[in-house]
Amino acid sequence: DADVTQTPRNRITKTGKRIMLECSQTKGHDRMYWYRQDPGLGLRLIYYSFDVKDINKGEISDGYSVSRQAQAKFSLSLESAIPNQTALYFCATSVGQGYGYTFGSGTRLTVV
Amino acid sequence: GENVEQHPSTLSVQEGDSAVIKCTYSDSASNYFPWYKQELGKRPQLIIDIRSNVGEKKDQRIAVTLNKTAKHFSLHITETQPEDSAVYFCAARYREYGNKLVFGAGTILRVKS
Repeated sequence: DADVTQTPRNRITKTGKRIMLECSQTKGHDRMYWYRQDPGLGLRLIYYSFDVKDINKGEISDGYSVSRQAQAKFSLSLESAIPNQTALYFCATSVGQGYGYTFGSGTRLTVV
Repeated sequence: GENVEQHPSTLSVQEGDSAVIKCTYSDSASNYFPWYKQELGKRPQLIIDIRSNVGEKKDQRIAVTLNKTAKHFSLHITETQPEDSAVYFCAARYREYGNKLVFGAGTILRVKS
């Protein structure tokens, strides 16, 4: 089945370290998103991309960067991780506006 | 600014009872409203959605209603079962940020058997 896969599933890293979270999809969708989930705050958008040459900031992009290496791959980087970036991170894809998202399996990141 | 308010934050019901979760949005141009269910340790999954040209949509025990004038929409689950226990998120499509979805904070639904 077509799916959205994230790696790693869990990661513990130290403050100040650089870390990359990866997302790949076999759904053939052009639109890809990175969201962060914190208890009581729902899902907040970090970055999004509508094609390989299109990268846009979301509402909480500070401290993060992204790379769209191919239509199927969208990576999120934390250049210098800090403890308040501890959260559950989800990649999502969409076939277009006016349609729902398909979420990836999630990456639980802990910064100590 | 962009915002979707979701209530209640937690909801406990007895098995077989109905559950209702309500969301309000602020962008009058919003025209797409999905609902997601997230079971413990799993990814959010789309369970139902509604577009602004309809007022109600049903899928078995789940229904969503939309009141565009009041800018609110609700999820209704009838004959609740223990497997309905999960976190439910509403969302609205906003024009800002490329028509992205803005999510509510979520409702923890517990169905007691």
